Amino acid sequence: KAGVTQTPRYLIKTRGQQVTLSCSPISGHRSVSWYQQTPGQGLQFLFEYFSETQRNKGNFPGRFSGRQFSNSRSEMNVSTLELGDSALYLCASSLAAGAGETQYFGPGTRLLVL
Amino acid sequence: QQQVKQSPQSLIVQKGGISIINCAYENTAFDYFPWYQQFPGKGPALLIAIRPDVSEKKEGRFTISFNKSAKQFSLHIMDSQPGDSATYFCAASKLNGNKLVFGAGTILRVKS
Repeated sequence: KAGVTQTPRYLIKTRGQQVTLSCSPISGHRSVSWYQQTPGQGLQFLFEYFSETQRNKGNFPGRFSGRQFSNSRSEMNVSTLELGDSALYLCASSLAAGAGETQYFGPGTRLLVL
Repeated sequence: QQQVKQSPQSLIVQKGGISIINCAYENTAFDYFPWYQQFPGKGPALLIAIRPDVSEKKEGRFTISFNKSAKQFSLHIMDSQPGDSATYFCAASKLNGNKLVFGAGTILRVKS
């Protein structure tokens, strides 16, 4: 079974631009979560989607948004990029939503904002 | 607000030794406590997980010890190997969702 795939793997943008990252979950998984990983703040939860509905949202500004499609694929968007948005963005998928469901992480998209 | 505190930040262990990483949490609503292992250039991978109704769980060389009253849990890696060198994260989540709250991570280096 193929794992979680994220595209693109690397991205360079400039301040003020916007970016869209894509995540394809493991086949059959309906829950997708997004995390931001930085050296200073560590791994922080962004949002979680299940059956195209946002179930949970982390403490990030409104510039960060996401959505999930009917095939469970998910995208996250960051508008008006800031230097501090430089990070590794990780997507995780699980069969369902609920504590105890193993979350499988993708390799991440490394975003550099100049 | 750091809800899951992890220590130490880094750890050097001789091959064959025991690696111990500790975590403490604040929110008593947490119901699920996984440990993740991350190698450079890769996403985190689930290593082992525990629920608060058991005090210990062992899978191969990896053991989680859980102390509900102290709100602490730890990962023990027995017979540590150079291939175990990675960053380890403890995490916690509540019953009603997949939102994981991660500790800051521990960089483990096993010397051969």
